[in-house]
Amino acid sequence: EVQLVQSRAEVKKPGESLKISCKGSGYSFSNYWIGWVRQMPGKGLEWLGIIYAADSDARYSPSFQGHVTISVDRSISTAYLQWNSLKASDTAIYYCARRAYSASGQAYYMDVWGTGTTVTVSS
Amino acid sequence: DTQMTQSPSSLSASVGDRVTITCRASQSIRIYLSWYQLKPGKAPNLLIYDASTLQSGVPSRFSGSGSGTDFTLTISSLQPEDFATYYCQQTYTTLPTWTFGQGTKVEIK
Repeated sequence: EVQLVQSRAEVKKPGESLKISCKGSGYSFSNYWIGWVRQMPGKGLEWLGIIYAADSDARYSPSFQGHVTISVDRSISTAYLQWNSLKASDTAIYYCARRAYSASGQAYYMDVWGTGTTVTVSS
Repeated sequence: DTQMTQSPSSLSASVGDRVTITCRASQSIRIYLSWYQLKPGKAPNLLIYDASTLQSGVPSRFSGSGSGTDFTLTISSLQPEDFATYYCQQTYTTLPTWTFGQGTKVEIK
């Protein structure tokens, strides 16, 4: 079964650092891009960025560039989302998802999702 | 940025109802549109890609249509397990700037 398993919920203080993970299984991890999506409390989905597992090529949404870092460890089929200094406004659920490609329509889409990691930042 | 405007933001419907959700792009995105279902505590679920292709394993009561700027997700006969929030996403623009609609929450009437 193809799945993405995300790390457990985290509670942190403002200014602290954090790295959450997303482990892929059931498929060739290095052949796919992994994206990250944020859902703030009571709000909709926001696209953070994406990384190609084969070569760690990471692309960031302009809204999140410089505030988060996306990385990958191919040896353990795991992608990461990292903050060096958390803010209260980072409180959200963070989802990872695998990017797929439609050969027929030539469109990309996210076909497999993790269940999300809840990050709470509070003093 | 390509903005995605979803409507309505919420709706109340009964089991068996036909439900239609629309998504409008601020510029043409051809058919580079997908639809997702989100339930609390669960992984988001891909329903439709290429604007109208049903993902494997998704019930046939779900369908998508449209191209260019106007898209529709239809649930032909609403079932109890369909009460959830639905999002569209465009993947036409360059990689980092893919955007979601604001979401449509489908509630029980």
